[in-house]
Order: sequence, then C-alpha cells, then structure tokens
Amino acid sequence: AQTVTQSQPEMSVQEAETVTLSCTYDTSESDYYLFWYKQPPSRQMILVIRQEAYKQQNATENRFSVNFQKAAKSFSLKISDSQLGDAAMYFCAYRSPNFGNEKLTFGTGTRLTIIP
Amino acid sequence: DTGVSQDPRHKITKRGQNVTFRCDPISEHNRLYWYRQTLGQGPEFLTYFQNEAQLEKSRLLSDRFSAERPKGSFSTLEIQRTEQGDSAMYLCASSHEGTGLISPLHFGNGTRLTVT
Repeated sequence: AQTVTQSQPEMSVQEAETVTLSCTYDTSESDYYLFWYKQPPSRQMILVIRQEAYKQQNATENRFSVNFQKAAKSFSLKISDSQLGDAAMYFCAYRSPNFGNEKLTFGTGTRLTIIP
Repeated sequence: DTGVSQDPRHKITKRGQNVTFRCDPISEHNRLYWYRQTLGQGPEFLTYFQNEAQLEKSRLLSDRFSAERPKGSFSTLEIQRTEQGDSAMYLCASSHEGTGLISPLHFGNGTRLTVT
C-alpha cells in the first residue's frame, strides 16, 4: 500500500516571502499521480497543483511550483510571494493509475500560517 | 457547475442512532468518492463509485457503514448504530474520468458528525 508523509505539521512565512512544504511517499509503482490540495479554515478542499510521474518537468501554477524528485520519492510544494489568502492546511496526495485502485491517499497535512 | 453539495452540514446524534448523509456531485461527473477526516488528520478513503457501481471499499468501512449511488447520480452514506469514534468530517468528492483522462477530485464542504 502507498503511504504519504508530511513531516512538517506547521509552517509559517512572512507575507511576500517564499515557503517550501515537504512531502515524501512510498510506492512500488512506476507510474502514478501526485497532488497538492489546500483546505482553508472551514472551507472546502481545492486542488493547488498536480504532477504526473512520467513527466520529468516540474509542474507550475502561477505562484505555486513543485520539486518532484522521483528517485527520492519526494514531492515538495513551493509557494512564492506568499499572500494572506494562502493560509490553510496543505495536503499532499498520491494516486495510483490502476483501475479499481484509484483512490487518493493523503498525508497528514501541513498548517501554513502567513505572517503579515 | 454548482459544485459538490453535501447535506446536512452538521449532524449531532446520540450513540446508537442511525444517520444518513447525502452527496450531490457535479452533474457530469461519473466518479464519486467518500472520505472521512478527523481533527488534525488528512482525509481517509472510505469508498468510491463509478456511475452506480461501487468499485472499492476501505477496510475502514465496517459493516455499520453502507454507501449507495442509485442511478449513478447522488450518493448516500449511512452509519448504523453510531459510536463516538464515528465523530468526524465526512467528505464527498467527484470527478469525471474516461480512457486516458484523469481529472482531479472536486470536494464538497463536508458533513460534520458529532456522536454524543
């Protein structure tokens, strides 16, 4: 079974600065998908960014980018120019491509605080 | 696209009672997922459907839990003989998937269950 580990329960960053959230995972599959989801307080979870394991290029979405290291099974999220609205729980998630085993497996999350 | 809708938002029940939650996915989405999230943890997979077929059930889903998705539209999650350990946020998510197409999950706001 796949596992996802987020070793930073809490992180904080000054507004406008850059922060990196860590995620490692364990799998025996060669092809898979990785995601970062954001869950603001009392609000629904939304997708931040996704990465297909077969793609060597790191995904980027505006101020959000990932550092995907397949051999190390590492998938960190970098948030540039942090904004107050970035404050939330961030969850890293893994998904198998195999039919019938396509659930998302989440890490325990990192609570990000933005300091004005 | 009105998003994933869950009802009720909050449910307080006494131990031993049965409860039922409803999820209305985004209309064109063929996949529907149920997750459970306890405080300070990431969502844990419970079960998922493709159209009306239930494709996978977690071992977390004891005999007291049952989920249905009649006609491949809305879904219900029923918990019988509730226990205090069932207290959690129950999240529903949906996605549209086909051959070679993998879409991210869209989550609802969740149903918060408190068992007293």
